[in-house]
Amino acid sequence: QKEVEQNSGPLSVPEGAIASLNCTYSDRGSQSFFWYRQYSGKSPELIMFIYSNGDKEDGRFTAQLNKASQYVSLLIRDSQPSDSATYLCAVGYSNYQLIWGAGTKLIIKP
Amino acid sequence: DTGVSQNPRHKITKRGQNVTFRCDPISEHNRLYWYRQTLGQGPEFLTYFQNEAQLEKSRLLSDRFSAERPKGSFSTLEIQRTEQGDSAMYLCASSTWTGDEQYFGPGTRLTVT
Repeated sequence: QKEVEQNSGPLSVPEGAIASLNCTYSDRGSQSFFWYRQYSGKSPELIMFIYSNGDKEDGRFTAQLNKASQYVSLLIRDSQPSDSATYLCAVGYSNYQLIWGAGTKLIIKP
Repeated sequence: DTGVSQNPRHKITKRGQNVTFRCDPISEHNRLYWYRQTLGQGPEFLTYFQNEAQLEKSRLLSDRFSAERPKGSFSTLEIQRTEQGDSAMYLCASSTWTGDEQYFGPGTRLTVT
């Protein structure tokens, strides 16, 4: 049974601080890792993906992958109120199916 | 490119009725996915097409659900004899054949009364 676990939150972070979101997965066969942002009532929006161990940076976002620990994280620097949303972690396998976590609700306090 | 589109955006139906949703993927994407999402949960995989071939279908998917992608472009998802438990957001996503990155449409919110 492939599983992806996320803390449901809410995670409350002051504006301008770093928000750190975490995700663990159960199957070592996982090959690709994604972070999606979802505003209330809207569909998921892809913000980061990572395939190799280490860090990947894109603007204020950094994805970190540690396959040995089966752990992927998302850091958001200089958090803005517009970053308040639910962040979904998704893990991909060779058949292109994504297994999803239930999401972490992030609140950025002005 | 205008992204993935879905129609209708909202559908209210009575229990027992049939409903059909449409998805138009990004034009150069040959993979298309259907998901269902309920409040507080991540998307739940329903089915996947590569071009016109339906390659995967969730074992959780009732026989009341069927999907088609007849010419490898748009896709339809039909739910027969709807039940209140079918109320959810139905999401469509697409990707290229080389990439795992999936891009979602705005979704169709179904309410079964």
